[in-house]
Parts: sequence; structure tokens; C-alpha cells
Amino acid sequence: DTEVTQTPKHLVMGMTNKKSLKCEQHMGHRAMYWYKQKAKKPPELMFVYSYEKLSINESVPSRFSPECPNSSLLNLHLHALQPEDSALYLCASSRLAGTTDTQYFGPGTRLTVL
Amino acid sequence: GNSVTQMEGPVTLSEEAFLTINCTYTATGYPSLFWYVQYPGEGLQLLLKATKADDKGSNKGFEATYRKETTSFHLEKGSVQVSDSAVYFCALLRATGKLIFGQGTTLQVKP
Repeated sequence: DTEVTQTPKHLVMGMTNKKSLKCEQHMGHRAMYWYKQKAKKPPELMFVYSYEKLSINESVPSRFSPECPNSSLLNLHLHALQPEDSALYLCASSRLAGTTDTQYFGPGTRLTVL
Repeated sequence: GNSVTQMEGPVTLSEEAFLTINCTYTATGYPSLFWYVQYPGEGLQLLLKATKADDKGSNKGFEATYRKETTSFHLEKGSVQVSDSAVYFCALLRATGKLIFGQGTTLQVKP
């Protein structure tokens, strides 16, 4: 089973709201990722967690705050977003954050910021 | 630096036609290479991978061979179906775990 689940599927929020995206995997993977994908563009890496510790932050604005409470869960907390943050947010996981480890993606959360 | 270049789309084919989507890369060292597919409104699905030179990845009739000498990883399928219509992404994996994607190629298959 290579399933990564994400909730919610769709999210609409105002610029003053606080919301969270959730990602879960039960494959025993120790690396988890957040990507942002704008329409008709490839995914762009935001964060990498390895063994529940943040290992890469691709200079993401502080209005995005990741959290990895345990090895199966990854959250992305959203606060004071801008309309240009509207995108598909993809979570992925892999066995390790290594050079040969396949990343498996979830279905994504489509975020609209009004 | 590391980068991936894919042929621009959209690619429009008739059912049962032969498919080639070109992908070339620039990288330090020998990264693993991947093809992902994205159907409308969905996340990315792994299509195939290759981890070293001359490896051939294959899945669901799709194939790609890791060519170090030409720094290429072209995707091929002998006979496409309407259900293959999607966006295809070529990607390389850096040692940090960061996937570097090409721009994506949209494939439209007409009956």
C-alpha cells in the first residue's frame, strides 16, 4: 500500500483566517514533504521533514508553519494568507530523504484564499 | 545546478499511436530519475523510476531508459489510449530529498 491521505480536499479561507492542512501515511516512511503547485506548473518543494525534524525550508514565508507531531502525521498551519497563495498543496512521503527513495504523493488540498 | 527540461506540449495523438516525451537533465553526480503522471484534479502518481545509468524503468506499457551519455530519460509507449491523457512530469532527485521537476507535458489522446 502506497497511500498518502490529505484532508481537507478543498479549503476556502479569508486572509484573516487560521486553518490547517493535514497529511497522513502508514507506510513507515521517515521523510515527509510539502509541495505547492500553481495551475499549469510543476510542484515546488516547500518543506522536508526527516525523522520528524525539519531538514529543509525552501525560504517559505512564515505565514506557512509546518508541524510533524509524529512519524505518520504532517500538518501545515496557515495564517494571514494572501490570494496568491491559492494553489494545490501536495503532501508526499518516502522511506528516507535519500537519493533513491521514491516519493509518494497524496491527492492534494486545493486552497482558495479570498 | 540541477535542472530538468521537457518537451513543450500539448502533445496530441490518436489512439494506438506511438508516444515519446523527451526529457533531459543537468545534474551533479548521478541522481535518480522519475516520471510522474497527474490526471485532472488529482495528485501525482509515480509512473516509473531509474536509479542508475542504463537502468530501464517500466510500468503500464510505459518505458524510459536512464542515458548518462546523453543525460536523457525519454518516456515512450508503443500504443496510447484515451485514458493516458494527463500531464507527465519528469523529475530528478537530489541527495537532500528535493525533487526537481520539469515543466510538465500535457498529453491529449483522441479516439
